[in-house]
Amino acid sequence: NAGVTQTPKFQVLKTGQSMTLQCAQDMNHEYMSWYRQDPGMGLRLIHYSVGAGITDQGEVPNGYNVSRSTTEDFPLRLLSAAPSQTSVYFCASSRDSNSPLHFGNGTRLTVT
Amino acid sequence: QQQVKQSPQSLIVQKGGISIINCAYENTAFDYFPWYQQFPGKGPALLIAIRPDVSEKKEGRFTISFNKSAKQFSLHIMDSQPGDSATYFCAASMWGGSQGNLIFGKGTKLSVKP
Repeated sequence: NAGVTQTPKFQVLKTGQSMTLQCAQDMNHEYMSWYRQDPGMGLRLIHYSVGAGITDQGEVPNGYNVSRSTTEDFPLRLLSAAPSQTSVYFCASSRDSNSPLHFGNGTRLTVT
Repeated sequence: QQQVKQSPQSLIVQKGGISIINCAYENTAFDYFPWYQQFPGKGPALLIAIRPDVSEKKEGRFTISFNKSAKQFSLHIMDSQPGDSATYFCAASMWGGSQGNLIFGKGTKLSVKP
């Protein structure tokens, strides 16, 4: 099993550009989430999904959109990139609400 | 509002020593407390977790101590090894809520010197 796969690993955007960070899991996990990690800030929840067709906001949702059309995929869309969105983004999944999270290896995004 | 406070920010320990990282939480509804370990360039991975019905949980060289009345919990790494050098995050969430809705501390960068 590949686990949680994130693409791309690195991305540079100009302010105002849009892009989609991809996340896929092959463990048939119902729960998926996106976190951003900034130096000295820990990990902060952006959006999460408890199953296909269901999404909700986390702590820092502004500037990001998500959708969950399949169990496997949970893409994160940046609508109009801003320098404040420079960060490392992690996708995570778990079998259900009472199971541990499995994280991907992250996407490092730089917005200039 | 920082719901989970973690200290220290960084820690240097000699090989064979004990590493201790502390966390404090504010929300008394939290009842799941995991620790995650993260190596450079990798995502965090679950190390050990505890629920408040026990005061201590041990897995190999890693121990969580939990003090419900003080709303504090800590990670102890016995016989610390250079391979333990990583960033450690404590976290908290509510049972019945999703473990994915974890509130993380800001992390502790541990360096174990040979």
